Amino acid sequence: DSGVTQTPKHLITATGQRVTLRCSPRSGDLSVYWYQQSLDQGLQFLIQYYNGEERAKGNILERFSAQQFPDLHSELNLSSLELGDSALYFCASSVSGRLDTQYFGPGTRLTVL
Amino acid sequence: AQSVTQLDSHVSVSEGTPVLLRCNYSSSYSPSLFWYVQHPNKGLQLLLKYTSAATLVKGINGFEAEFKKSETSFHLTKPSAHMSDAAEYFCVVSGSSGYALNFGKGTSLLVTP
Repeated sequence: DSGVTQTPKHLITATGQRVTLRCSPRSGDLSVYWYQQSLDQGLQFLIQYYNGEERAKGNILERFSAQQFPDLHSELNLSSLELGDSALYFCASSVSGRLDTQYFGPGTRLTVL
Repeated sequence: AQSVTQLDSHVSVSEGTPVLLRCNYSSSYSPSLFWYVQHPNKGLQLLLKYTSAATLVKGINGFEAEFKKSETSFHLTKPSAHMSDAAEYFCVVSGSSGYALNFGKGTSLLVTP
């Protein structure tokens, strides 16, 4: 158990809908990262927040957004969902940021029908 | 850009025999390299991390990896495979910003009795 929690574990929704994925980092970690794992794209970095502010951005679609709250938990919002958004979404956390070891949560499996 | 190439998508070994999972990296500077493992329906767990200290890195569960700059390789080894080692293994390099992680495509390790 990494200490990173993610909810929900599974999410099934329809195309065009909007969902919110939640992540709580390990105690003491200030950075949160979001990754997407799909069969065709593999594991891809989406976005990073450090102490409430966006720090780095990867291959995140404009339909996706994230934020980190004062209590350091983070939410990833996915809107106008498409079939291709079906994937496993991981959250990771680290103490601060650059070159830190990242600890991963169990993931949220999103299925878009 | 920093990237890794995992040379085998599938590796099959017999229980008790050595494991070798191959990874080559591409980086414009001295990289931070990692190996993560993902067991079925589980999150990602850090096996080991290289950050320019000793070139031979020891990790958890008897795994180790050797950083070879001349060969741009970071292969993962274990002297004797156990059934519980069956999983997906990812070679990872830190991105140019030092925040994001760039994952390889993964190597699926099968351990047969």
